[in-house]
Amino acid sequence: DAKTTQPPSMDCAEGRAANLPCNHSTISGNEYVYWYRQIHSQGPQYIIHGLKNNETNEMASLIITEDRKSSTLILPHASLRDTAVYYCIVRVGTGANNLFFGTGTRLTVIP
Amino acid sequence: GAVVSQHPSWVICKSGTSVKIECRSLDFQATTMFWYRQFPKQSLMLMATSNEGSKATYEQGVEKDKFLINHASLTLSTLTVTSAHPEDSSFYICSALAALEGNSPLHFGNGTRLTVT
Repeated sequence: DAKTTQPPSMDCAEGRAANLPCNHSTISGNEYVYWYRQIHSQGPQYIIHGLKNNETNEMASLIITEDRKSSTLILPHASLRDTAVYYCIVRVGTGANNLFFGTGTRLTVIP
Repeated sequence: GAVVSQHPSWVICKSGTSVKIECRSLDFQATTMFWYRQFPKQSLMLMATSNEGSKATYEQGVEKDKFLINHASLTLSTLTVTSAHPEDSSFYICSALAALEGNSPLHFGNGTRLTVT
């Protein structure tokens, strides 16, 4: 069962910030929020993950609401190479049987 | 960061033949590896979980005799598609866990595109 809801598609102008939302209203206290992206014909690429605090790395920032029912992935300066399908996943523990890939958001960066 | 290498990146085979796909963790040991299948314009579907030194665990609806998984070492898992048919044509992707901590991210290979003619 899908535990996250994402818009099917979004556009973003090159150089602007891309803000990708994700709803996970049934998230449990010990579940982390993960973001991956998949560029056409490649394997998924790990971006970032977090539990309840906002996180930032060299690729993106992750903003998690205080009630943890939603989050936003921010690509601060989108480039054409960021065009991909972005998956938001909630996951607990180490098993993959709960790493469920929904349909994701297809982000298109426009020149 | 953790690197997962998958080989081959693409393969074309005739119906009835078998194809082996390798998944290697290059700079870490992976006690657990996972195999996914992805059809065009669809999301990834978990096929099986592979644990080093033990039998793989298959998801419901995945034929274990058709998709043979071997995880002989901490850095290598293989998926063999036996007696392949055109409906087995798909994008196969492996992933590996670098550690057993609860929040370790999965790292994925770049996938193998299998075309059965």
